Amino acid sequence: DIQMTQSPSSLSASEGDRVTITCRASQNIVNYLNWYQQKPGKAPKLLIYVASSLQSGVPPRFSGSGSGTDFTLTISGLQAGDFATYYCQQSYSFPWTFGQGTKVEIK
Amino acid sequence: EVQLLESGGGLVQPGGSLRLSCTASGFTFVTYAMTWVRQPPGKGLESVSTISGSGGSTSYADSVQGRFIISRDNSNNTLYLQMNNLRGEDTAVYYCGKALAGPYGCCEFWGQGILVTVSS
Repeated sequence: DIQMTQSPSSLSASEGDRVTITCRASQNIVNYLNWYQQKPGKAPKLLIYVASSLQSGVPPRFSGSGSGTDFTLTISGLQAGDFATYYCQQSYSFPWTFGQGTKVEIK
Repeated sequence: EVQLLESGGGLVQPGGSLRLSCTASGFTFVTYAMTWVRQPPGKGLESVSTISGSGGSTSYADSVQGRFIISRDNSNNTLYLQMNNLRGEDTAVYYCGKALAGPYGCCEFWGQGILVTVSS
């Protein structure tokens, strides 16, 4: 199975901050990388697919980049509704594997 | 509007069986692969099984291979997960997910999730 390693596991930030979360795959996954946001008690919500494509309806302050093994999710101008846990996930080969999550908390 | 609604969860004893259902609407069901993903309480996400749009191709995580069976009824827009020989470590919220268009796997949309508790 492909291992996905996210960092950091948690961070504290203020509204308006720029936040960056990184994700590393254990092998080349080209651009088969998705990012999700999950709030407590809710299903994950797709934010970014194929590394850098913004899902319909997702605000443009969310952006993704990277290819191969190293990927980044950036939130430019953190808003109150963005405090949540974020997961990366590879869809290169089944089983689709997820990073361990990054919890974004209010400073 | 895409909607996915899971049902069939609950409390089951170790060694028991349960069948989850996921009823889909708002898209052409047969066109998309579907996946089951689970999340143990307080933990991360794990993909369990996936099935192609036609139902002719299936894959399983090693942790459930030989115990779980994924299937679909395209005439009724319903996805299933038959879970047999359940263990405590299968306790989780189970989500069904609709694949992204093209060869990009899981998951563009998710159901609200259903809790499965395996305990005596």
